[in-house]
Amino acid sequence: GENVEQHPSTLSVQEGDSAVIKCTYSDSASNYFPWYKQELGKGPQLIIDIRSNVGEKKDQRIAVTLNKTAKHFSLHITETQPEDSAVYFCAAKLGAGSYQLTFGKGTKLSVIP
Amino acid sequence: DAGITQSPRHKVTETGTPVTLRCHQTENHRYMYWYRQDPGHGLRLIHYSYGVKDTDKGEVSDGYSVSRSKTEDFLLTLESATSSQTSVYFCAISEPGITDTQYFGPGTRLTVL
Repeated sequence: GENVEQHPSTLSVQEGDSAVIKCTYSDSASNYFPWYKQELGKGPQLIIDIRSNVGEKKDQRIAVTLNKTAKHFSLHITETQPEDSAVYFCAAKLGAGSYQLTFGKGTKLSVIP
Repeated sequence: DAGITQSPRHKVTETGTPVTLRCHQTENHRYMYWYRQDPGHGLRLIHYSYGVKDTDKGEVSDGYSVSRSKTEDFLLTLESATSSQTSVYFCAISEPGITDTQYFGPGTRLTVL
């Protein structure tokens, strides 16, 4: 099955700085990679996703990059704000015929005002 | 938020008692999932359903059963709760063919004493 590794497990940045979270996956058949943000006491919420036929995707201050050859993908948050503080999860979905997501173990991001 | 509710939101029970958690959706999505979330483990799939009365096991299914008699409801049952099943349980939904995205409910915090 798929295995997803996520680093770092904790990350502290100053407000206004950038944050980068990295994930690697094991199965080259994976074709969909979402990122979720989870605030305390709430369920994970999708913030951005990318498919294997795209190398980069941006949405305002958030971007995701995918390197299929190296089997890794990264979340980039620019101009961080205190409200970005949360736990972030990456995930990967195997190719056609599979609808299950395999999640990384999460990164706790703290943005220091 | 996607139209997903979970009940109860919090429950404390004793070892050996049966427990049923409910997930209800108003999105008419075909797929429904149950995950558990534990520190250091991220989100792990327990069971999922791909239609009424169609279910399958996930990564950590031992000690759990599920049922889906209606599109909108997916029940998770712990036949005889153990302390190792103390966790936060999340339901998710998706509609493959339209999107691979999974949308999560608010979660149920279960404590087994």
